[in-house]
Amino acid sequence: AQTVTQSQPEMSVQEAETVTLSCTYDTSESDYYLFWYKQPPSRQMILVIRQEAYKQQNATENRFSVNFQKAAKSFSLKISDSQLGDAAMYFCAYRRKAAGNKLTFGGGTRVLVKP
Amino acid sequence: DSGVTQTPKHLITATGQRVTLRCSPRSGDLSVYWYQQSLDQGLQFLIQYYNGEERAKGNILERFSAQQFPDLHSELNLSSLELGDSALYFCASSVVGLAGSNNEQFFGPGTRLTVL
Repeated sequence: AQTVTQSQPEMSVQEAETVTLSCTYDTSESDYYLFWYKQPPSRQMILVIRQEAYKQQNATENRFSVNFQKAAKSFSLKISDSQLGDAAMYFCAYRRKAAGNKLTFGGGTRVLVKP
Repeated sequence: DSGVTQTPKHLITATGQRVTLRCSPRSGDLSVYWYQQSLDQGLQFLIQYYNGEERAKGNILERFSAQQFPDLHSELNLSSLELGDSALYFCASSVVGLAGSNNEQFFGPGTRLTVL
């Protein structure tokens, strides 16, 4: 079974600074998707960024970028120029490509942004 | 606003009771997913329906059941409720949701279930 691990329960960052969230996963598949979701206090799950495993280029969405290391099964999220609105829980998620669409989530990392 | 609606937003009930959670997917989305977010288990997949048929099953208890109706809305039925069933239940929808498809799942706002 696939597992997703986020080893940092909480991370703190100063406003305008950069923070990196770690995620590792375990799979025997070669083709899959990886995601970062943001869950603010409103509890809404918001897709931040997506990476397709067969694409070597790291995905970027504005201030959010990933470092995808397929061989190491690592998928970290970098938030640049942190803003107060970035404060939230962040979940790393995995989805197999070959068999349906269920998302497997990590335990989450809480990001605190200090003004 | 993701376009996925869930009702009710909050539900408080007693142990042993039965509740029904409702989800309306985004317009045009055929696939509906149910996830449970609890302190103990984190976020976990329960079940997926595609165009009215069960497509995939996750860690869903036998006391729980779901269905998707012809108008594509879905209901999650939780029975013989226990304290440990207290959680946030999310519904998500995607256009297709079949193997190999690259369809984003859009999440609803969730239903907060409290079992006393």
